[in-house]
Amino acid sequence: GIQVEQSPPDLILQEGANSTLRCNFSDSVNNLQWFHQNPWGQLINLFYIPSGTKQNGRLSATTVATERYSLLYISSSQTTDSGVYFCAVRGVDSNYQLIWGAGTKLIIKP
Amino acid sequence: GAVVSQHPSRVICKSGTSVKIECRSLDFQATTMFWYRQFPKQSLMLMATSNEGSKATYEQGVEKDKFLINHASLTLSTLTVTSAHPEDSSFYICSARDWQTDTQYFGPGTRLTVL
Repeated sequence: GIQVEQSPPDLILQEGANSTLRCNFSDSVNNLQWFHQNPWGQLINLFYIPSGTKQNGRLSATTVATERYSLLYISSSQTTDSGVYFCAVRGVDSNYQLIWGAGTKLIIKP
Repeated sequence: GAVVSQHPSRVICKSGTSVKIECRSLDFQATTMFWYRQFPKQSLMLMATSNEGSKATYEQGVEKDKFLINHASLTLSTLTVTSAHPEDSSFYICSARDWQTDTQYFGPGTRLTVL
């Protein structure tokens, strides 16, 4: 089945710094989503981005489907950005199931 | 954005009892809902996929008689953990797929503790 790898596994930054999180996947996908899981466990949809580039405030994401990777950019980090960021994909032959990466744990220090 | 509610958010029960968790899509219809389990500091593990009006599809290693799933309407799915044991203690998360946007939205999760 499709494999999803996220890097780095952990990231510690000072408030105000910028960061780039990466998601590599092993096969063609027709769905890719980025999620933020806050310290209370709630998963929040950030982007639905099987291809192309999107921006939402300080966050943006780019997926290069032909090269099988996606990047999540966080600019001017705030302490509330702390949490785990997951990338999840669906292969073209899948039945709506999302395959999840292991996540990147981000800690923003004040 | 779309909202998925999950109830209860936290439950503590005695070993041997059954616990029902509800998952509702509040402002969209979800023909497909998913149930996940998450262990501490790990990613989500898909337990089962439920389609409205049909039997759930369970992932390998998930006991269907222990984790009963019902998806009786386009906005409600339930997970019942039957005869719960301490090893069933975990964080259970549901999600609902909005077929119009092909996006999954997640409930806030249920933290189950079995004593």
